[in-house]
Amino acid sequence: EDQVTQSPEALRLQEGESSSLNCSYTVSGLRGLFWYRQDPGKGPEFLFTLYSAGEEKEKERLKATLTKKESFLHITAPKPEDSATYLCAVQATYGQNFVFGPGTRLSVLP
Amino acid sequence: NAGVTQTPKFQVLKTGQSMTLQCAQDMNHNSMYWYRQDPGMGLRLIYYSASEGTTDKGEVPNGYNVSRLNKREFSLRLESAAPSQTSVYFCASIIQNSGNTIYFGEGSWLTVV
Repeated sequence: EDQVTQSPEALRLQEGESSSLNCSYTVSGLRGLFWYRQDPGKGPEFLFTLYSAGEEKEKERLKATLTKKESFLHITAPKPEDSATYLCAVQATYGQNFVFGPGTRLSVLP
Repeated sequence: NAGVTQTPKFQVLKTGQSMTLQCAQDMNHNSMYWYRQDPGMGLRLIYYSASEGTTDKGEVPNGYNVSRLNKREFSLRLESAAPSQTSVYFCASIIQNSGNTIYFGEGSWLTVV
């Protein structure tokens, strides 16, 4: 059974304090690993797709990396507007479904 | 530039009542999904439709039915609502095998009392 776990459940950072969020997964064959950002009262917003171990993607203060068992979302010098819940999901090679983790709730304090 | 549109945004139902959540996408996507999101449990798949005319059960289909009316529209029906169906519901769509980016609607907040 495909599974995704995320840690920590919640994270509080001071503005400018860099950190990383973890996404661990088990999947029969990985078609893609996805990161989403979700603001309160909104639908998830796409950030990155990673397809194979060793791949990295960057967008502003965010950088996503992928190994065979986990992915990290690195946040460099975060700002209060980066506060949100970050969701990780995987899609198996032979499947239509996306399996989501429970998310990490990030708060960045000014 | 609407993307994925869901209605209604908010709904309160009494136990046993029925209702339909509507979803439409204007991106010509093949596949559409209905997820529910509950605190601490992440997004769980209820039903999906890989293409027009097909539907399949996901992880938590009990108590729900779906209709893929055409390529644009995918509705979710609760025949006899139960308090356990209180949740936030998200519709999503994707072009499979083309980056596989899944796009979500803004959500429908459903409370069953």
